[in-house]
Amino acid sequence: QVQLQESGPGVVRPSETLSLTCTVSGDFVTTSGYYCTWIRQLPDKSLEWIGYIYSNGNTNYNPSLKSRLDISVDTSKNQFSLRLLSVTAADTAVYFCAREAGYPARRFDSWGQGTRVTVSS
Amino acid sequence: DIQMTQSPSSLSATVGDRVTITCRASQAIGNYLAWFQQKPGKAPKSLIYAASSLHTGVPSKFSGSGSGTDFTLTISSLQPEDFATYYCLQYDRYPYTFGQGTNLEIK
Repeated sequence: QVQLQESGPGVVRPSETLSLTCTVSGDFVTTSGYYCTWIRQLPDKSLEWIGYIYSNGNTNYNPSLKSRLDISVDTSKNQFSLRLLSVTAADTAVYFCAREAGYPARRFDSWGQGTRVTVSS
Repeated sequence: DIQMTQSPSSLSATVGDRVTITCRASQAIGNYLAWFQQKPGKAPKSLIYAASSLHTGVPSKFSGSGSGTDFTLTISSLQPEDFATYYCLQYDRYPYTFGQGTNLEIK
């Protein structure tokens, strides 16, 4: 069974870079056909899809974050990561990593437990 | 972006009840609709994908239907562990978008 675990700082200062990591266990982060995805839950409990890195290295980002966002993979650590530049208070959220299977049907089959990030000076 | 509108936003029900939650998309999304259950302090749990297919291990008391723009999640014979917040997600077009959630409470 695949398990995902987020890690990162609980607090980030405004204008700095948020870096989060999702460690994958029970499978390879580059297993074919999977979208390694980041989703966040804002303080009002709304959920926002951030973006993914596909098993072939392709990325797809939410246009609302695209100019500040980078998602990458570290195969040596079996992890994928999120970097969000120039954060503001609006980036305060619980960040989840998740894995979306591409076939035989698109579906989210694994989620991390989430990590809370507060943007504050 | 595709807007997903869930109704109701909150719902009170009794153990044993059957409830239905609706999700409406601002444009047709085929059957690219998923449902999730979330309990306080936990990650969302996948219940249904492709509008009506149950994830492995999800009890058959949960069922989904719909296509195009209108979708429903039905939960039969409510048990205490079913009281949670439920979200729909469209994954037909990027960016994926979620409904605002339905908080299912014990009456």
